[in-house]
Order: sequence, then structure tokens, then C-alpha cells
Amino acid sequence: QVQLVESGGGVVQPGRSLRLSCAASGFPFIGYGMHWVRQAPGKGLEWVAVILYDGSNKYYADSVKGRFTISRDNSKNTLYLQMNSLRAEDTAVYYCAKVHSGSWYTLSDWGQGTLVTVSS
Amino acid sequence: DIQLTQSPSSVSASVGDRVSITCRASQGISSWLAWYQQKPGEAPKLLIYAASSLQSGVPSRFSGSGSGTDFTLTISSLQPEDSASYYCQQADSFPLTFGGGTKVEIK
Repeated sequence: QVQLVESGGGVVQPGRSLRLSCAASGFPFIGYGMHWVRQAPGKGLEWVAVILYDGSNKYYADSVKGRFTISRDNSKNTLYLQMNSLRAEDTAVYYCAKVHSGSWYTLSDWGQGTLVTVSS
Repeated sequence: DIQLTQSPSSVSASVGDRVSITCRASQGISSWLAWYQQKPGEAPKLLIYAASSLQSGVPSRFSGSGSGTDFTLTISSLQPEDSASYYCQQADSFPLTFGGGTKVEIK
């Protein structure tokens, strides 16, 4: 079965960087686009970024554009999110999610999430 | 960006009740809408895709309908395990956007 396991979260000071990872298993990783979605404490879901199956195309939410970079290593079945110039408003649980087989825009499977706290 | 407005923001109903949640898009999105369920402390789970297609493994008491700008998620007979937050998400274009969520509680 599909397994997505995020790691790399923690407490970081404003302006610093952090890299999240998402280890994928149970499906042919190279064949699927992947997303990052976040959820601030007690708030709703906010889409962050997507990368297509071969890494050729990436799209970002305006709130993270220019600061976050999504990437993938298909040889390691791993998705990444490099987060630079972190702000307090980036504090959230970050989920990685696999695209649905029928649509890049639907998220069929989600990891358990990793918490990022930006605080001095 | 496509805005999604969900209503109600919360609903309290009894076991066995029929519960409906609506989602209105700021522009037409054909049938490109998904619904997710999220229980406290857990990741979201896909329930419905393409407005009305039931994701594998999801109980048949969940159904979705609508097209264009107006969509509905219906739980035909509410069960205790359905206590959760529900989110719609437009699957038409980037940036993906979600509705504000609906919290379903059991009376």
C-alpha cells in the first residue's frame, strides 16, 4: 500500500532555512506527481507546491514563491521541500501527498505530516 | 485564483441523519472538485474526486454531486466515525485551493 513518511520538521528561527523530506513507497514513485500542503495550527488546508513526475514542471503558491523549492530524487523515491527565509506565518504541519491517477490536481494519498515551527 | 466557499462552517447532527455540505466556486470548474475528510490529529483522506466519484474504500453513504460552481457532499446516514472536518478542493487549475472546512459533530 502507499506509504508517505515526512521528516525534517522542527523549531527554526525566522529567516533561517529548513529542508523537509518525504519518503515514498508502495507505488511507482517515478510515475506520479507530488504535492506539499500545509495546515497552520487550528486552521484549514493550504496548498504549497507541486512537482510533476519527472521534475520538469513545478508550481508554487504565491505565499511561498521565491522562498520554497520543491524537488525530487526518483532514484531514492524521495520528495523534498527546501524552505528558505522562513517566517512566523510558515508555522504549520506540512503534508506530502501523491497525485490521483486520474488528475494532477487531486491528492489521493497523504503522509502523516511534519510540524514546522518558526519562532525566535 | 479560484475561491471556494463552504457552508455551513459547522453542523451537529444525530446518528442516522442525512447531512449535506455545500461548496461554491468563484468561477466555473466543470466537475473538477474533490472532497476530503480530516479527523483530529490525522492527515486528510480523499473521499470524492471529480465531483461525484467515490474513492476506493470509502463507504457508500458518502456521495458528491454538482458541476460548474455549486457542489454538495452528502452523508446519507451519519455514523459516529464520521465526526470530522470536511474540505472541498478545486481540481481545475493551479494554485489549488481549498474551502474553509466544515466541522461535523455528532449530537
